[in-house]
Amino acid sequence: GENVEQHPSTLSVQEGDSAVIKCTYSDSASNYFPWYKQELGKRPQLIIDIRSNVGEKKDQRIAVTLNKTAKHFSLHITETQPEDSAVYFCASRATQKLVFGTGTRLLVSP
Amino acid sequence: DTGVSQDPRHKITKRGQNVTFRCDPISEHNRLYWYRQTLGQGPEFLTYFQNEAQLEKSRLLSDRFSAERPKGSFSTLEIQRTEQGDSAMYLCASSWEVDTQYFGPGTRLTVL
Repeated sequence: GENVEQHPSTLSVQEGDSAVIKCTYSDSASNYFPWYKQELGKRPQLIIDIRSNVGEKKDQRIAVTLNKTAKHFSLHITETQPEDSAVYFCASRATQKLVFGTGTRLLVSP
Repeated sequence: DTGVSQDPRHKITKRGQNVTFRCDPISEHNRLYWYRQTLGQGPEFLTYFQNEAQLEKSRLLSDRFSAERPKGSFSTLEIQRTEQGDSAMYLCASSWEVDTQYFGPGTRLTVL
């Protein structure tokens, strides 16, 4: 079945550094790739998404890249801030459901 | 608040009891999804509805689980004869067609 692998599981950076989280998906029919941020005890919130007809998308300090050939997609956060600290989940969608990665706990130290 | 809402937010029950959770989607959304999230993991798909029709169920959804969306608006998820392994966060999400899925705050279930 569909599978999404996410790395690293934890990531610690200093404020102002960049952070990169990588995901690999298995289903070549996947055509939509969202990223969710989940703070402790709160709902997952969409921060950015990309569709398979686009290779890169940027929104202020956040960018996502997609390599369909390699079935890889990545989240890039620049100029990290302490409020970026959270768990980030990548996901892929081939049919109706989202298949999530196992999450990356990002800690941004002041 | 016009987002997805879920009730209750927390539920503690004893093993063997039945529990029911409710999800109210964003009003104009025709699709509603249920996911389960355990500690340290990403959400796992359980089932989804388009309007009142339940169109897909995960193999994770044993016979003890049942979900309904009788009028195509709110949905309920019932777990019968709860087991300790059912302890998790149950998340509901909604979308318009295959657009972005917006999540509710979840119901945290603890089975003692």
